[in-house]
Amino acid sequence: GDSVTQMEGPVTLSEEAFLTINCTYTATGYPSLFWYVQYPGEGLQLLLKATKADDKGSNKGFEATYRKETTSFHLEKGSVQVSDSAVYFCALSDRRSGNTPLVFGKGTRLSVIA
Amino acid sequence: DTAVSQTPKYLVTQMGNDKSIKCEQNLGHDTMYWYKQDSKKFLKIMFSYNNKELIINETVPNRFSPKSPDKAHLNLHINSLELGDSAVYFCASSRGQTNTEAFFGQGTRLTVV
Repeated sequence: GDSVTQMEGPVTLSEEAFLTINCTYTATGYPSLFWYVQYPGEGLQLLLKATKADDKGSNKGFEATYRKETTSFHLEKGSVQVSDSAVYFCALSDRRSGNTPLVFGKGTRLSVIA
Repeated sequence: DTAVSQTPKYLVTQMGNDKSIKCEQNLGHDTMYWYKQDSKKFLKIMFSYNNKELIINETVPNRFSPKSPDKAHLNLHINSLELGDSAVYFCASSRGQTNTEAFFGQGTRLTVV
């Protein structure tokens, strides 16, 4: 079945550091890929998405590129802020027929210190 | 205007009780979901409904019974609550059933004591 593997956390960075959170996937079909963010005490918010190979999703300074050849969708940000502290989830939704709800990775907790 | 709203936000109850969590979406989506998030933040699909019809039931105990009175609502009823049911439950909705993002509610933190 479909699955998403993302790097274990927690990740602790100083403000303005470069962030990479690795994500790889396994899918039966040709999925769309997503990054969601969960701030403390809140629900999940869509951060960015990509629907086909080589697409780059971007939002709020975060970027991720859909790499079909390496089945990866790594999240990057050039300069993190304290307000970026949250749990980040990589997810996929497959394209085959029927109902294909989002499949999530286990989440990576990011703490940014001033 | 909250797109996906669920109530209550917190629910503390004793073992053996029956409780319900309500969810409503005003996005006009035709597909709704319940996810369970455990203490390690792992998210797992429980149920998926499309146009009020149950599509996915992922090895969830029979004590959990979703009900969708219309496309905009998907409620979760839990009978005979157990300690292991303690988790955060998220409702979500999407347009379509495949290859699409979902919009999530704020979550309901259920604590069974």
